[in-house]
Amino acid sequence: EVQLVESGGGWVQPGGSLRLSCAASGFTFSTHKMHWVRQAPGKGLEWVSFIDENGTYKKDRDSVRGRFIISRDNAENSLFLQMNSLRDDDTAIYYCVRESNGFDPWGQGTLVTVSA
Amino acid sequence: QSALTQPPSVSGTPGQTVTISCSGSRSNIGRDYAFWYQQFPGTAPKLLMYKRIYRPSWVPDRFSGSQSGATAYLAISGLRAEDEADYYCAAWDNSLGWVFGGGTKLTVL
Repeated sequence: EVQLVESGGGWVQPGGSLRLSCAASGFTFSTHKMHWVRQAPGKGLEWVSFIDENGTYKKDRDSVRGRFIISRDNAENSLFLQMNSLRDDDTAIYYCVRESNGFDPWGQGTLVTVSA
Repeated sequence: QSALTQPPSVSGTPGQTVTISCSGSRSNIGRDYAFWYQQFPGTAPKLLMYKRIYRPSWVPDRFSGSQSGATAYLAISGLRAEDEADYYCAAWDNSLGWVFGGGTKLTVL
C-alpha cells in the first residue's frame, strides 16, 4: 500500500523554525516528484513546494521563497520541508503529496500553528 | 485570490446532475490539463480526475471531466448523499507553479 506519513508539526512563535518530515512507503520513492501542499484552517488548498526525482530541480510559491527549503533523501525514502522565519499566515495543515498523474496520494497531514 | 475560480457552493437533489466550473487562463488550464480533488471534512484530499478526463479506478463513472478553452468542468450525475464534499480543481501555471481553485462545497439536498 502506498503511504505517506508526515511528522514535525507543532506550535511555533512568529519568526521561528520547524522541520517537517514525510516518510514514504509502498512505492519507488526515487522515481517520483514530490510536493508539499497546505491548507489553512477552514480555507482551501495551496501548493507550497515541489522537488524533482533526484532533488535537482525545485520550485516554491512566491510567499515562501527564501524562507522554506524542500529537500529529499531517496536512500531513506523521505521528504522534508525546512520552514524558517515563520509567519502567522503559515498556519496550516501541511500535506506531503506524491505526483503521479496528479497529486496522489496525500498524507494525513501535520498541523503547523504559528502564534505568539 | 486564487488563480483558478470556482463557485463557492453548488447543490442538487439525489439523482440530479450537477456541474462545477473552474475558470483559469492561458497560463494554466488554457495550456495544460486540469485535475480535480475531493475532500471530506477532517480528511486529506483525494485525486478524483486527472489530465482533464481520466478517473482513478476507485472513482465511479458518475464523475466526468471536460474542458472548454481555459475553463474545466466536473460533472456529477446520479447525485448521491455520499457525494457531499468539497471539490477543488488544480492545474500547472506557467508562472505560479501549481495552482488550485478556491474550492466548491457540494450540498446534496
